[in-house]
Amino acid sequence: EAGVAQSPRYKIIEKRQSVAFWCNPISGHATLYWYQQILGQGPKLLIQFQNNGVVDDSQLPKDRFSAERLKGVDSTLKIQPAKLEDSAVYLCASRLLGTGGNTIYFGEGSWLTVV
Amino acid sequence: AQSVTQPDIHITVSEGASLELRCNYSYGATPYLFWYVQSPGQGLQLLLKYFSGDTLVQGIKGFEAEFKRSQSSFNLRKPSVHWSDAAEYFCAVGANNAGNMLTFGGGTRLMVKP
Repeated sequence: EAGVAQSPRYKIIEKRQSVAFWCNPISGHATLYWYQQILGQGPKLLIQFQNNGVVDDSQLPKDRFSAERLKGVDSTLKIQPAKLEDSAVYLCASRLLGTGGNTIYFGEGSWLTVV
Repeated sequence: AQSVTQPDIHITVSEGASLELRCNYSYGATPYLFWYVQSPGQGLQLLLKYFSGDTLVQGIKGFEAEFKRSQSSFNLRKPSVHWSDAAEYFCAVGANNAGNMLTFGGGTRLMVKP
């Protein structure tokens, strides 16, 4: 079974530029998450999708971050304009639909450095 | 709001020694609890999880964890550490709802001495 795919793996941009990350979840997984992991910290949830609808985006800095999952499968996370403090690993994760303890599977992450 | 505390930022153990990584959580109801491991440059891999039932759960790679409700803890243990266990370990708590969003602790970096 293929895992959660993310691209690009690494990106270096200057502040005020824009960047986009792509995620393809495990086939059949209705729930998709984007997490931000700053160096030395645990991952922090940015946004959660259920199919193509947003379940929770309360921690997404909406003035500069946006995310979409138009067809309920793959997803894009965009940052525009980027700030130095956006340097982090952006982790995509997915999970089967439903309540209970379905495991959340993580991709390898997209590493962003803003200079 | 749910929260997770991992009191130890760094731990160094000798290869073959036993290991215990501490995790304390705050959550109003019965939590879902997880331990993930992250090797350098890699994503998060699930080691084990607790939802209900037996409070001692077994995971992959010889790890186990014990849920202690009275102490709000979910410590991770391994009887004999291998050099390949060197990584960062994250404890997480999930809400008991359809979203099951995870809140992570700050992580514990494990170093293994030969």
